[in-house]
Amino acid sequence: GEDVEQSLFLSVREGDSSVINCTYTDSSSTYLYWYKQEPGAGLQLLTYIFSNMDMKQDQRLTVLLNKKDKHLSLRIADTQTGDSAIYFCAFTMGANNLFFGTGTRLTVIP
Amino acid sequence: DAGVTQSPTHLIKTRGQQVTLRCSPISGHKSVSWYQQVLGQGPQFIFQYYEKEERGRGNFPDRFSARQFPNYSSELNVNALLLGDSALYLCASKRAGGGDTQYFGPGTRLTVL
Repeated sequence: GEDVEQSLFLSVREGDSSVINCTYTDSSSTYLYWYKQEPGAGLQLLTYIFSNMDMKQDQRLTVLLNKKDKHLSLRIADTQTGDSAIYFCAFTMGANNLFFGTGTRLTVIP
Repeated sequence: DAGVTQSPTHLIKTRGQQVTLRCSPISGHKSVSWYQQVLGQGPQFIFQYYEKEERGRGNFPDRFSARQFPNYSSELNVNALLLGDSALYLCASKRAGGGDTQYFGPGTRLTVL
């Protein structure tokens, strides 16, 4: 079955860039997603990338996909305190559901 | 337009009881999925419904059931609650039955004592 791994914690200083990494085993997903979850809240879709793309940029967010190494990353430029949250990578499994990584807790230090 | 809405926000039950959670999708979305998120973990897929039919089911026991109504809203039912059912239950909606982006509601936090 699918196995998706993320580092549990990441701390960065305000204004620096954050890079959140995700490695996976199943490469059949058409879409690969990044979701953000703030404390006590639901999931907010941040961005997604098609599996035939290598990179996607959306304002402060850059998604990189390395299909050969089965590695997905999310770079947040100029990280702000409001970016403190848990970030999940997710993949489509068949047509019906998402498979989520373990989540990375990003802490931004003022 | 309103996003995905869920009710109630919080719920406390005791072991053995039954619970019903409700979800209203984004207007125009016909597919609803349910996920369970245990503290400290990523969400796990429970069910997907599209056009009132079950289109996918995760690895959950038969104590979990769901249905979708003609207005595309959905209910998740859990019978014979166990302590391990304590979690955040998330509902997500999307336009079509397959391969489209899912948008999540705020969740219902269920605590089983």
